[in-house]
Amino acid sequence: SQTIHQWPATLVQPVGSPLSLECTVEGTSNPNLYWYRQAAGRGLQLLFYSVGIGQISSEVPQNLSASRPQDRQFILSSKKLLLSDSGFYLCAWSYRENTEAFFGQGTRLTVV
Amino acid sequence: KQEVTQIPAALSVPEGENLVLNCSFTDSAIYNLQWFRQDPGKGLTSLLLIQSSQREQTSGRLNASLDKSSGRSTLYIAASQPGDSATYLCAVRLTTDSWGKLQFGAGTQVVVTP
Repeated sequence: SQTIHQWPATLVQPVGSPLSLECTVEGTSNPNLYWYRQAAGRGLQLLFYSVGIGQISSEVPQNLSASRPQDRQFILSSKKLLLSDSGFYLCAWSYRENTEAFFGQGTRLTVV
Repeated sequence: KQEVTQIPAALSVPEGENLVLNCSFTDSAIYNLQWFRQDPGKGLTSLLLIQSSQREQTSGRLNASLDKSSGRSTLYIAASQPGDSATYLCAVRLTTDSWGKLQFGAGTQVVVTP
């Protein structure tokens, strides 16, 4: 069966520090991978999408970037965090663009 | 622009009652609609995926209906239990969106009291 792992579960970082969140999927190959952010009062917003290694699409301009160095690995990064980057970050995968999506357990990021 | 609305925002019912959760969307050009459950501080758990060609999908005590033409979906949870307490989210995928982006409602927070 397929599983998705995200780490760390929680993170407190100072403003201006770098960020690296990792997501890996097991039990499938060539998945579509997604990063979403859930901010209080704003619902879930798609940040990045990837259909394959090295292929990244950004939904909204922001202080974040994403990379996919391996087929089942998706990384969310920032060079310098802002207070507004605080939120709950969720990684997700699906077989294709119109199939069921499965989410990880999320990372709670607090920028102080 | 697609708008996804969930009403009510919060719901409290006694154990044993049936739950009815509503989701509406403004653009009927959807691939499918997916219902999720989210426990506090946790990720999303997929409950049901209903394709645009389907009217209904069932899993155990859960039943989801879809009326694409009117832009509505309803999630029914039979004989609610305290363990059903969570936030329930619906999300749609548009046929015009090649990324497979899920567009979410704000959720309905459910409390089932013993």
